[in-house]
Amino acid sequence: DAKTTQPNSMESNEEEPVHLPCNHSTISGTDYIHWYRQLPSQGPEYVIHGLTSNVNNRMASLAIAEDRKSSTLILHRATLRDAAVYYCILRDWAGNQFYFGTGTSLTVIP
Amino acid sequence: DAGITQSPRHKVTETGTPVTLRCHQTENHRYMYWYRQDPGHGLRLIHYSYGVKDTDKGEVSDGYSVSRSKTEDFLLTLESATSSQTSVYFCAITTGTSTPYQQYFGPGTRLTVT
Repeated sequence: DAKTTQPNSMESNEEEPVHLPCNHSTISGTDYIHWYRQLPSQGPEYVIHGLTSNVNNRMASLAIAEDRKSSTLILHRATLRDAAVYYCILRDWAGNQFYFGTGTSLTVIP
Repeated sequence: DAGITQSPRHKVTETGTPVTLRCHQTENHRYMYWYRQDPGHGLRLIHYSYGVKDTDKGEVSDGYSVSRSKTEDFLLTLESATSSQTSVYFCAITTGTSTPYQQYFGPGTRLTVT
């Protein structure tokens, strides 16, 4: 699987939008972009995924660059409960292995 | 939460002793995984299973073995525990009705090898 690059840490003020970037310059045409997050002392949980088009769900939005070499996870209004490590992962459509990097640690400031 | 439980949740053991961690799922999912998580390394795949008696290695499989004799149970064994295997271990399953599948994780087992 292709690798991803994320900033080690980011901060956001509570109730403000957060944009978490991910670079994946070696992405292949069949790779889906997945985002997971890990709250303190818990296992990771699924957030969102996409292939080419921007995606929205109840947790977040995913904006994918036109050339697919980067993507951004958008939390529209950060809350204290969103403080977590966010992982950007690429997976082939049929792939059964996930390669987690070290992710971005998000701190939400009250 | 996909009905995943892990046991034990915490364990302290001595170097050289065998240790077995259990992952149990209640929904008959085909794929199950074992990861370890260490500071500075994120989550790394140890082994995974794609069915009863069908397993394969991940990126950090040395020193670990797995077994899956029933769909619902996936066991991770450290034959002779070492201090470098001190870690938090997560079990996961994949689920979904269409690709790409999502992973759901268990609560984790914190293992300390002294």
